[in-house]
Amino acid sequence: DAGVIQSPRHEVTEMGQEVTLRCKPISGHDYLFWYRQTMMRGLELLIYFNNNVPIDDSGMPEDRFSAKMPNASFSTLKIQPSEPRDSAVYFCASSVGGTRGLEAFFGQGTRLTVV
Amino acid sequence: SQQGEEDPQALSIQEGENATMNCSYKTSINNLQWYRQNSGRGLVHLILIRSNEREKHSGRLRVTLDTSKKSSSLLITASRAADTASYFCATVVNYQLIWGAGTKLIIKP
Repeated sequence: DAGVIQSPRHEVTEMGQEVTLRCKPISGHDYLFWYRQTMMRGLELLIYFNNNVPIDDSGMPEDRFSAKMPNASFSTLKIQPSEPRDSAVYFCASSVGGTRGLEAFFGQGTRLTVV
Repeated sequence: SQQGEEDPQALSIQEGENATMNCSYKTSINNLQWYRQNSGRGLVHLILIRSNEREKHSGRLRVTLDTSKKSSSLLITASRAADTASYFCATVVNYQLIWGAGTKLIIKP
C-alpha cells in the first residue's frame, strides 16, 4: 500500500480564495483524521470520520472550514474563504479501530500559505 | 484540548548518549502511543503501550507506562544523528487520539 496520500503537497493562495485539500486513506482503514499543525498551537485535531461518517468536528475552527468523506477512499477539507491565519501544515491520517488501538498513519501533509 | 504534555520541550545530547522523554496525561486511557516527526514530514508511529502494560521494547526504544502517576517515558538508547526529530505522545481516549505538544530532540554528532 502506498500509505496515506495527500494532495497538493504545497498550496499558496490569496486571501479570500477557496482552498481544497485532498486525502486518500489506506485501504481498509475505518478512521480518518484531519489535523492542523502550527508552531504556535502544535497539532490540532480538526475533525475525524468513522466509516465515512463525521464523528467529531468540534475542532473545526470556523464555519469557513468544512470536510467531507463521500466514500471510504477519499476525503476533502475545504476552506472558504481562506485567511492568512489559516496558514499551516494540514495532515490527514487514517487508522483501524478495534484491537489495533488506533495506530495512526499520517500523510506527508499539505503546507498551506495564504497571502 | 491537549491531554498529553511532554517533558522536556527540547533536548540536545551527544551522539551515543541515551535520550529520555516524558509524557503526562490527565484522564484514564486505552493506550498510549509515541510518534516521531522529522522536519517537514508527517508523524510516524513508533510504539504503542496498552493501559495494562508497564514496559515495552522495540529495538533501541523502551517505553514505560505508570497509570497510577498518569505518565509515560520514552528512552532512546545509543542515540544517532538520525534520531534528531520531534517526538509526540498520544493517548487514546474513547477512540480519539489526544496529542501532546512534543519534545524536540537534537543529537549532536
